[in-house]
Amino acid sequence: QSVLTQPPSASGTPGQRVTISCSGSSSNIGSNYVSWYQQLPGTAPKLLIYRNNQRPSGVPDRFSGSKSDTSASLAISGLRSEDEADYYCAAWDDSLSGPVFGGGTKLTVL
Amino acid sequence: EVQLAESGGGLVKPGGSLRLSCAGSGFTFSNAWMNWVRQTPGKGLEWVGRIKSKADGGTIDYAAPVKGRFTISRDDSKNTVYLQMNSLKTEDTALYYCTTGSITITGFDYWGQGTLVTVSS
Repeated sequence: QSVLTQPPSASGTPGQRVTISCSGSSSNIGSNYVSWYQQLPGTAPKLLIYRNNQRPSGVPDRFSGSKSDTSASLAISGLRSEDEADYYCAAWDDSLSGPVFGGGTKLTVL
Repeated sequence: EVQLAESGGGLVKPGGSLRLSCAGSGFTFSNAWMNWVRQTPGKGLEWVGRIKSKADGGTIDYAAPVKGRFTISRDDSKNTVYLQMNSLKTEDTALYYCTTGSITITGFDYWGQGTLVTVSS
């Protein structure tokens, strides 16, 4: 249903590295920057990554973003229990003339 | 510290109207591009619309599902952005967030805590 496609769930153990994928098309990820958001339970989303791989100040370098063609990925290294959250990707869509989001990935830290 | 505080949500009948407000502080509001983003359990996050700063032309854009029904405006003297919602439908039921930034330049860099809008008879 969402324009950008994310896996509904992901999991990892503390200390592990996990990646979350985000698949789009030439009209969004293929031609525009991707941003990533973390939403902890009961809170508003928070910007993690912008312009594909830039971290706002205060975001740990354990979080990194990348993009290739029409797909993007968020990697979290040194996984911690406090990383358990929903993660969303987003990008501008040229066809829709507006931002579009992925459906979100629920990350569980086992 | 940047703060965004939404207000004005509530229960409204289909076809009704509601006006949301978002007051900003801790940044130069007049320079900020302001967005409305809504979230529902079923449809996730959905961009509603955006108003640019007056310095950047003050352009307003809307998502297709709300175009013609919703109106975004801003009062820089009050550091506040508004979302006037008319002809509300049940599918407009959501938690509405205001955010700062441009998805292509800065990302949506700050978010409010959200205000809940429920459209039901």
